[in-house]
Amino acid sequence: GQQLNQSPQSMFIQEGEDVSMNCTSSSIFNTWLWYKQDPGEGPVLLIALYKAGELTSNGRLTAQFGITRKDSFLNISASIPSDVGIYFCAGRQETSGSRLTFGEGTQLTVNP
Amino acid sequence: DAMVIQNPRYQVTQFGKPVTLSCSQTLNHNVMYWYQQKSSQAPKLLFHYYDKDFNNEADTPDNFQSRRPNTSFCFLDIRSPGLGDAAMYLCATSRAQVGAGETQYFGPGTRLLVL
Repeated sequence: GQQLNQSPQSMFIQEGEDVSMNCTSSSIFNTWLWYKQDPGEGPVLLIALYKAGELTSNGRLTAQFGITRKDSFLNISASIPSDVGIYFCAGRQETSGSRLTFGEGTQLTVNP
Repeated sequence: DAMVIQNPRYQVTQFGKPVTLSCSQTLNHNVMYWYQQKSSQAPKLLFHYYDKDFNNEADTPDNFQSRRPNTSFCFLDIRSPGLGDAAMYLCATSRAQVGAGETQYFGPGTRLLVL
């Protein structure tokens, strides 16, 4: 099936630093979603993107739907210790019905 | 608050002993999903219900079954759990929309341990 290439796989940063992660694909998606998952919990939706070129913010988080519809990025500004977790991108294609394709996740570690 | 609820949060079962995990939602969404997630991996879709229509993924083992008695509830039945079925099981819901705009919301998950 279709795959999303999410990078980086892991990040180790200092508190206060900005973070950027992205997902790319060879296929077109019509929805991009970014989730954060804490240990032992379900993924929590951070940002949903529905239109090519869309740039959306949620507090210190900003995500963009790539203009080619084949990529998306998530930025976190001024990171804090509670940003620690695994971040997943997920995309939905026109031909996949309700199914999502997930990236492999970015493990973020923030050192105080 | 509208939400997706999973019970129990932790489930211990014995090898080969049937187990049922439950999911309920107050979002009134018409699509419900079951995912399996193993450590440090992305969630893997097992199946989903679009209203009452069951959609099985091609690589989901026959050992996994599901029931959706009404809009609010969905169950995952594992008929004969093996050690390899130990994982986090996630329920999610969405309101089906044509084109873009469909978003899945996840429950907190049930961690299954098979002894």
